[in-house]
Amino acid sequence: DAMVIQNPRYQVTQFGKPVTLSCSQTLNHNVMYWYQQKSSQAPKLLFHYYDKDFNNEADTPDNFQSRRPNTSFCFLDIRSPGLGDAAMYLCATSREGAGLAYNEQFFGPGTRLTVL
Amino acid sequence: AQKVTQAQTEISVVEKEDVTLDCVYETRDTTYYLFWYKQPPSGELVFLIRRNSFDEQNEISGRYSWNFQKSTSSFNFTITASQVVDSAVYFCALSKGDSNYQLIWGAGTKLIIKP
Repeated sequence: DAMVIQNPRYQVTQFGKPVTLSCSQTLNHNVMYWYQQKSSQAPKLLFHYYDKDFNNEADTPDNFQSRRPNTSFCFLDIRSPGLGDAAMYLCATSREGAGLAYNEQFFGPGTRLTVL
Repeated sequence: AQKVTQAQTEISVVEKEDVTLDCVYETRDTTYYLFWYKQPPSGELVFLIRRNSFDEQNEISGRYSWNFQKSTSSFNFTITASQVVDSAVYFCALSKGDSNYQLIWGAGTKLIIKP
C-alpha cells in the first residue's frame, strides 16, 4: 500500500544534541510537509517542500532545518534541541499542481521526540 | 483572515449514541476547501473528507455524515451509533486562500466514547 513512513517512531535525545527525523513516501506526491504537534494542540506547520522548493514558515525557529534529497525522502534536523522542542513531529504529503488545488494531505504515524 | 473554530474541546458520550462535532470557519475567499481529520491515540492523522466551497451537498459515509452550510459557515460532522473505536481527536481544517496546499487547523475536539 502507498504510504508515508516515519522513522523512528520514538526518539530520545539530550538537550543540545542534534537529532534527525526521517520521512519517506511511496505516494509520489510532490509536496512534503513537516508539522510539530504538542499535546492537546493542533499541528503547527514548520515548513514544506513544493518539489525542490523549500518554504519556511515565518515563525519556525532557525534551530529547525530540513532536507529533501529526492521526491521520496525528507528529513527534519533539529540542530540544538531544547526542552521546548519535545513534541510529536508529523510528516505529510500531498499532490499539488495546476488544476489540482486543495488536495488532502496524507500523514505518517509521527515521531515522538523526547528531550532529556 | 481565515480561521477555524471548534468550540467543543471535549465530548463524552455512551456507545451507540449519535454525536455531532461542530466546525465554524471564516474566510473571504470564494473558492476554498474544508477537511476533517481523525487522530486516534496512536497519533496518526487520518483524512476523512474534503469538501469544496461550491458543493453544499451533504455527504454520508457509513456511520459518518457531514453537513456543509455556507450560510452559517459551518461544516459539522456527525457520527451515528458511535463506537468505542471512534474515540479520537477530530480536527477540522480550511485551505488557505493564498496558496492551494496549506491548511488552517481548528483546535480539535476530543471525542470519548464510553462502552
